[in-house]
Amino acid sequence: QKEVEQDPGPLSVPEGAIVSLNCTYSNSAFQYFMWYRQYSRKGPELLMYTYSSGNKEDGRFTAQVDKSSKYISLFIRDSQPSDSATYLCAMTLDTGRRALTFGSGTRLQVQP
Amino acid sequence: GAVVSQHPSRVICKSGTSVKIECRSLDFQATTMFWYRQFPKQSLMLMATSNEGSKATYEQGVEKDKFLINHASLTLSTLTVTSAHPEDSSFYICSARYTGANYGYTFGSGTRLTVV
Repeated sequence: QKEVEQDPGPLSVPEGAIVSLNCTYSNSAFQYFMWYRQYSRKGPELLMYTYSSGNKEDGRFTAQVDKSSKYISLFIRDSQPSDSATYLCAMTLDTGRRALTFGSGTRLQVQP
Repeated sequence: GAVVSQHPSRVICKSGTSVKIECRSLDFQATTMFWYRQFPKQSLMLMATSNEGSKATYEQGVEKDKFLINHASLTLSTLTVTSAHPEDSSFYICSARYTGANYGYTFGSGTRLTVV
């Protein structure tokens, strides 16, 4: 079993839809949770960062962490064609010298 | 802020030759950098963690003699793929942790290596 599970998609939605992306994880010691967006053949770009459980909102993006269920989500409101990319969840035990553990990524296509 | 510059973005080399990939933190000091490998439509797989001034820590299954990592300064880490073979063709990405108002991990733009 992978430490972090993420549906690879692809997920296709019409422009303006609300998108829900999710990851589950097995290591209850994870404390820091992130969502990255990756365009083809580019490095990942940080979208959202959350510590422990709770919600965080930034513009059209909302990140949720439920540590009791070991489940994290990213919601994208009013999705745009420019949101079409691969979305990677990532997490780590601490932000000292530890690397991130990534999900496999969900490929999102927003149709105009 | 928190920009990591990675070069080259794309390289094609012949089998048996070596290729060096550079990763520089432009506006912060990176005591720790991470090197990942990504195959098409797959996630990032951690290869090694490099700490400034000390030997890199490699993940299980990664050949340290083949993937040489040097982190000689707080702003530069390099990955050298030695005696490259076609199976080494992949997308290599570096990352560094930064602190600040919105801290996290920032990534380079990646290097697509093709070994022919």
